[in-house]
Amino acid sequence: NAGVTQTPKFQVLKTGQSMTLQCAQDMNHEYMSWYRQDPGMGLRLIHYSVGAGITDQGEVPNGYNVSRSTTEDFPLRLLSAAPSQTSVYFCASSYSPHRGRGTQYFGPGTRLLVL
Amino acid sequence: KQEVTQIPAALSVPEGENLVLNCSFTDSAIYNLQWFRQDPGKGLTSLLLIQSSQREQTSGRLNASLDKSSGRSTLYIAASQPGDSATYLCAVTGSGNTGKLIFGQGTTLQVKP
Repeated sequence: NAGVTQTPKFQVLKTGQSMTLQCAQDMNHEYMSWYRQDPGMGLRLIHYSVGAGITDQGEVPNGYNVSRSTTEDFPLRLLSAAPSQTSVYFCASSYSPHRGRGTQYFGPGTRLLVL
Repeated sequence: KQEVTQIPAALSVPEGENLVLNCSFTDSAIYNLQWFRQDPGKGLTSLLLIQSSQREQTSGRLNASLDKSSGRSTLYIAASQPGDSATYLCAVTGSGNTGKLIFGQGTTLQVKP
């Protein structure tokens, strides 16, 4: 198994540009989520999905959209990039964490710099 | 609101020493607690998951304990090695429906040869 994969590894954007961060998993996990990691703020949940076709907001959803058309993929879209979105983004997946099958597996991350 | 605290923030030990990392949380209503390792510039690697009904889990030289009533977990690393140098994060899954992990700020461990 490849586990959780993320592309790209690194991206530079200009303010106002849009882009999509890709995330895929091959473990047939129903639960997927996106976090951002910032110095001094730790990891914060952006959006999550409990299955194909179902998404919901996390702690810091503003400026981001997600969709879940398949079990495997969970892309994160930045609509109009802002310097405040400079961060490292991690995707994670697991079997349903609130049903006790909760080991969450993280991808390698995407480093985003918004100028 | 659930808060997770890790002490100490940084730790430096000589190779071969046994060590304990501490994690505390304010709300005992959790599904589970997970310990992760993060190397500089890398993603998070899951080390151990303890379900709320369990007291401890072991994997190789690692042993994690959970005392839900007191809101504490410890990660014990036996016979530390330079390759153990990394940041260790603990995270709890709260009792809500989001599956959200609430992380501590981490303990950065340096094991000196």
